[in-house]
Amino acid sequence: TQLLEQSPQFLSIQEGENLTVYCNSSSVFSSLQWYRQEPGEGPVLLVTVVTGGEVKKLKRLTFQFGDARKDSSLHITAAQPGDTGLYLCAGENNAGNMLTFGGGTRLMVKP
Amino acid sequence: EAQVTQNPRYLITVTGKKLTVTCSQNMNHEYMSWYRQDPGLGLRQIYYSMNVEVTDKGDVPEGYKVSRKEKRNFPLILESPSPNQTSLYFCASNKDRRPYEQYFGPGTRLTVT
Repeated sequence: TQLLEQSPQFLSIQEGENLTVYCNSSSVFSSLQWYRQEPGEGPVLLVTVVTGGEVKKLKRLTFQFGDARKDSSLHITAAQPGDTGLYLCAGENNAGNMLTFGGGTRLMVKP
Repeated sequence: EAQVTQNPRYLITVTGKKLTVTCSQNMNHEYMSWYRQDPGLGLRQIYYSMNVEVTDKGDVPEGYKVSRKEKRNFPLILESPSPNQTSLYFCASNKDRRPYEQYFGPGTRLTVT
């Protein structure tokens, strides 16, 4: 069974601060996805990274896939209260039929 | 609007009383999945379907059944619910096999007493 560990589990910061969330595994994934989930809703896909070393930017969010495709990071610049939510990473297995989710990072950005 | 819908959104039931959670998508997606989300355990896949009449087990299939008679619908059946199936359930669909990008429904919160 492939495992994904996310850190930190909880993060409470002030508006304007920067932060990084990590997603680590000993397994290789075909792709890695980041989702954001708000209370009472299902996760929403933010980005998919496929190639080792790939970097993608989504406004103030920067996503990176590790060179060996075993880990990923999410960096948020100048966090805003609207960034508050549960951030989930998910790795796609080689068979292309399953995602393994990390435990999530609950982010709170205070005004 | 492209979406995945689930019903009911909330359900409280008793041990052993059969129930079905419906899931429907209007995106003509081939692939559909069911997940459960539990504190500290994250999201775990229960079953998935690659097309009509094609289903397979995920990580935690025990105690659940699914069917895929139509492309748009993928109901989750609990024949004899038990308290350890109290959880938040999500249905999801995806168009392509790779990458396996999921579009999630709003969730069904199930409590089994």
